[in-house]
Amino acid sequence: QVHVMQSGPEVRKPGSSVTVSCKASGGTFSAYSITWIRQAPGQGLEWMGRVIPLTDATYYAPQFQDRVKIFAGDSASEVSLELRNLRSEDTAVYFCARGPTIADTFDIWGQGTKVTVSS
Amino acid sequence: DIQMTQSPSSLSASVGDRVTITCQASQDIFTYLNWYQQKPGKAPTLLIYTASNLEPGAPSRFSGRGSGTDFTLTISSLQPDDVATYYCQQYGDYPRTFGPGTKVEIK
Repeated sequence: QVHVMQSGPEVRKPGSSVTVSCKASGGTFSAYSITWIRQAPGQGLEWMGRVIPLTDATYYAPQFQDRVKIFAGDSASEVSLELRNLRSEDTAVYFCARGPTIADTFDIWGQGTKVTVSS
Repeated sequence: DIQMTQSPSSLSASVGDRVTITCQASQDIFTYLNWYQQKPGKAPTLLIYTASNLEPGAPSRFSGRGSGTDFTLTISSLQPDDVATYYCQQYGDYPRTFGPGTKVEIK
């Protein structure tokens, strides 16, 4: 059974960047897609984008298109999210989630990474 | 973008009650619809995929129905462990989108 572990909490200033990672243990992500979803305090879930590590194919939500990058490491057991030009509204818990490449059905989730953007 | 709505936004019911949550999509998504349960401070977990398929390990009191634009999640007999927020999510088109959530509490 694959388990997914995310990197630890981050604090950043407005205008800076953050990279959050998602690592598989007990397997790899090569046969799946990995999606990043975020949740602002007290709010719902927001889909940000996905990558298929086997092909490096990506798709980003339009509202993040110009400042986000989702990429896989060489071993296909780690996927990262880079978010640039941070603003206070980016304060949220960021989740990675695994799904089949042909359908975004998220059966395994990371534990979440809290990102705080504050001056 | 496909907009997802859910109703009610919250509900309070007694243990053993039958509870139904509805989810509506702004356009036809066939059966490309999933349901997730999220407990406070935790990541969501998959309950129902492709509108009506119970995820292995999910309790059999959960069921899903629907196609096109209208979907339902039913808890046949509400249990204390079901206190959570429930989200629908479409994958009929990009970007994928979630409903705003339904918070379920015990009366």
